[in-house]
Amino acid sequence: AQTVTQSQPEMSVQEAETVTLSCTYDTSENNYYLFWYKQPPSRQMILVIRQEAYKQQNATENRFSVNFQKAAKSFSLKISDSQLGDTAMYFCAFMRRIQGAQKLVFGQGTRLTINP
Amino acid sequence: NAGVTQTPKFRVLKTGQSMTLLCAQDMNHEYMYWYRQDPGMGLRLIHYSVGEGTTAKGEVPDGYNVSRLKKQNFLLGLESAAPSQTSVYFCASRESGGSYNEQFFGPGTRLTVL
Repeated sequence: AQTVTQSQPEMSVQEAETVTLSCTYDTSENNYYLFWYKQPPSRQMILVIRQEAYKQQNATENRFSVNFQKAAKSFSLKISDSQLGDTAMYFCAFMRRIQGAQKLVFGQGTRLTINP
Repeated sequence: NAGVTQTPKFRVLKTGQSMTLLCAQDMNHEYMYWYRQDPGMGLRLIHYSVGEGTTAKGEVPDGYNVSRLKKQNFLLGLESAAPSQTSVYFCASRESGGSYNEQFFGPGTRLTVL
């Protein structure tokens, strides 16, 4: 079974700073996807970024980028030039790369606060 | 295009009562999912459906039943609610086909069992 671990329950940075959220996972699979989801106070789950395990290049989406270390089973999220609207819970998630049900496995989450 | 909607948004039950949560999607998605989110934890999969008339168990199915009588609706039932089922419940849906399609989430239902 796959597991996802986020070791930072809470983080807090000043606006405009860069922050990195950590995630490790455990799997015997070789083909899979990794995700970061954002959950603001509205509770809506929002996909931030996706990484395909067979791609060596780290994914980027505007101010969001990942550091994917497959051998170490590490998948961190870097938020550059942080904004007040980035305040949210952030969840790391894993999914096997197969056709069919494509079930997500989530970490425990990191509560990120951006201070003005 | 409303996406994924959930009814109700909030509910308080007494132990032993029953209720049904409704998830509806207007994107013609084949796959639908029910998750629960407990404090300090990520979402955990309860049940899912790969198409109309089919359902399957997820990670934490005990105490819940589901039905997918119509493609656009996925119902989650609690026959005899327990305080341990106090949680926020999320529904999600996605297209079929290929090795990946994004799951779209509903806004969640906060359920309290007293």
